[in-house]
Amino acid sequence: SQTIHQWPATLVQPVGSPLSLECTVEGTSNPNLYWYRQAAGRGLQLLFYSVGIGQISSEVPQNLSASRPQDRQFILSSKKLLLSDSGFYLCAWRLSYEQYFGPGTRLTVT
Amino acid sequence: TQLLEQSPQFLSIQEGENLTVYCNSSSVFSSLQWYRQEPGEGPVLLVTVVTGGEVKKLKRLTFQFGDARKDSSLHITAAQPGDTGLYLCAGPGIKTSYDKVIFGPGTSLSVIP
Repeated sequence: SQTIHQWPATLVQPVGSPLSLECTVEGTSNPNLYWYRQAAGRGLQLLFYSVGIGQISSEVPQNLSASRPQDRQFILSSKKLLLSDSGFYLCAWRLSYEQYFGPGTRLTVT
Repeated sequence: TQLLEQSPQFLSIQEGENLTVYCNSSSVFSSLQWYRQEPGEGPVLLVTVVTGGEVKKLKRLTFQFGDARKDSSLHITAAQPGDTGLYLCAGPGIKTSYDKVIFGPGTSLSVIP
């Protein structure tokens, strides 16, 4: 069966520091991968998606970037965090119509 | 631009009551999915509806896809505290945006014991 991992689970970072969040999927090949951000109690904001290695589509131009160095690895990065980057970050992979989400990373920028 | 709207935004009910939440769009969707998310966790897929007019039941949850495939509803019978969470509807983008998934803003449900 397929599983999706995200780490770290929680992160507290100062403004201006770099960021790297990692997502890996097991049990499937060439998945579509997605990064979302979620404000407390609200819907999902699509940040990036990827249909293959090295292929990244950006939905929200800002100080975040994404990379897909391997088929089942998706990384979200920033060179300098802003206070507004705080939130709950979710990685997901897609099978046909449905998406399957990781456990998320709670990021607090102080 | 494809958008999904959900109503109500918030809902607080007593255990045992029935409720319905809605997901609407001005665009046609090839399918719609419903997810439930509990605090601090990722959303979990509940159901996919594909055919206009389709009704699917999952225990006390009944999902309906509108005939024109522009709307969907989720009805919960005899709500329980375990039903508490954020309910999200979603659907695939169309044409060149097929790889994107469009999410609604969600309905936050609180079931009070």
